Amino acid sequence: GAVVSQHPSWVICKSGTSVKIECRSLDFQATTMFWYRQFPKQSLMLMATSNEGSKATYEQGVEKDKFLINHASLTLSTLTVTSAHPEDSSFYICSARRARGVRDEQFFGPGTRLTVL
Amino acid sequence: DAKTTQPTSMDCAEGRAANLPCNHSTISGNEYVYWYRQIHSQGPQYIIHGLKNNETNEMASLIITEDRKSSTLILPHATLRDTAVYYCIPTNSGYALNFGKGTSLLVTP
Repeated sequence: GAVVSQHPSWVICKSGTSVKIECRSLDFQATTMFWYRQFPKQSLMLMATSNEGSKATYEQGVEKDKFLINHASLTLSTLTVTSAHPEDSSFYICSARRARGVRDEQFFGPGTRLTVL
Repeated sequence: DAKTTQPTSMDCAEGRAANLPCNHSTISGNEYVYWYRQIHSQGPQYIIHGLKNNETNEMASLIITEDRKSSTLILPHATLRDTAVYYCIPTNSGYALNFGKGTSLLVTP
């Protein structure tokens, strides 16, 4: 299957700082990438949909000014958690869509574990 | 998106077939049934998807009922590494995935 990477795999930061997470599709071009968040013992929750060259679409309840998403190229999307607080501690996962007509596939990155102290 | 019902948990002996059911009675005509799994602390892994015909790949088989209201994922020879949470997700191709609670599969020696 296609490969999607995330960097960093884990990060610990102080409250009030900003953290950038990168999501890259390594062997295909992804016009659409998705960002999810997963709290302990819960399922993945979609945060936003990111389309290359345009503004991201955020799910209800997700603050766009706090979670900045940039999808500047067909292989890279970034999520910046601004002014992080302990309640932002979570497992952040991206996915990239590989277009194949009616049989599109989504491939997920390995996730980034964010801990805010 | 269609709502899904999956067993909370299942056990399977190593080497035996694991049959994971999913009820999606409100699925619409153009929604595919996708199956993903998530091993602890990793990103979800794509398994298989189908529209109305049964599908098979190197990982699993997908059986979809004729009325498309339910499906079964079959892992023909489960191994310990198949222990994971399995998600059945009806969705239109290319859309974001709505992960429900899934089925926690435990494969035992």
